[in-house]
Amino acid sequence: ETGVTQSPTHLIKTRGQQVTLRCSSQSGHNTVSWYQQALGQGPQFIFQYYREEENGRGNFPPRFSGLQFPNYSSELNVNALELDDSALYLCASSFTNYGYTFGSGTRLTVV
Amino acid sequence: DQQVKQNSPSLSVQEGRISILNCDYTNSMFDYFLWYKKYPAEGPTFLISISSIKDKNEDGRFTVFLNKSAKHLSLHIVPSQPGDSAVYFCAASGTSYGKLTFGQGTILTVHP
Repeated sequence: ETGVTQSPTHLIKTRGQQVTLRCSSQSGHNTVSWYQQALGQGPQFIFQYYREEENGRGNFPPRFSGLQFPNYSSELNVNALELDDSALYLCASSFTNYGYTFGSGTRLTVV
Repeated sequence: DQQVKQNSPSLSVQEGRISILNCDYTNSMFDYFLWYKKYPAEGPTFLISISSIKDKNEDGRFTVFLNKSAKHLSLHIVPSQPGDSAVYFCAASGTSYGKLTFGQGTILTVHP
């Protein structure tokens, strides 16, 4: 049984650019959530996908968008990057709403 | 609006002693509470959880206590071990393990 894997592990982007982060869910998991963890803070909920549909969203602007694919892998897209978007982005998967497993995250730096 | 707060940024404990990590919340709609442990360069790892219908849940060295009237929960680790040194996050959910609202984390250091 594989865990949750995220790619890339580190990324540097320029302000104004777009970025796509990827997540491969744990086998058998059909729900994925994305979190942003700024330095010294706890993770903040961005959104959740269940069976390819967004079914919950946190307080993030529309330039944060996502996709979940039929194999339950997922993407987080961020447009028009801002310096404050620099953070660790965590993906978590589960079977429905029970028992989330987190990936190790993607460290995004916006310069 | 910080709905889940961990007011102690850090805690230092001697090996073998008890570690007590605290967490306060403001949203009375939260009905599930979880503790996660995080090592550097790794994602959060689930430790223990408690439903709002209980006031205590125990799993080996880890016990979580919930005081609903005070909107307070705590994690007790007994005995503490150096390998327990990590960042501990409490999290709360209003739907069973759904969207999680996290606290800021507490850095626990257990000295040999």
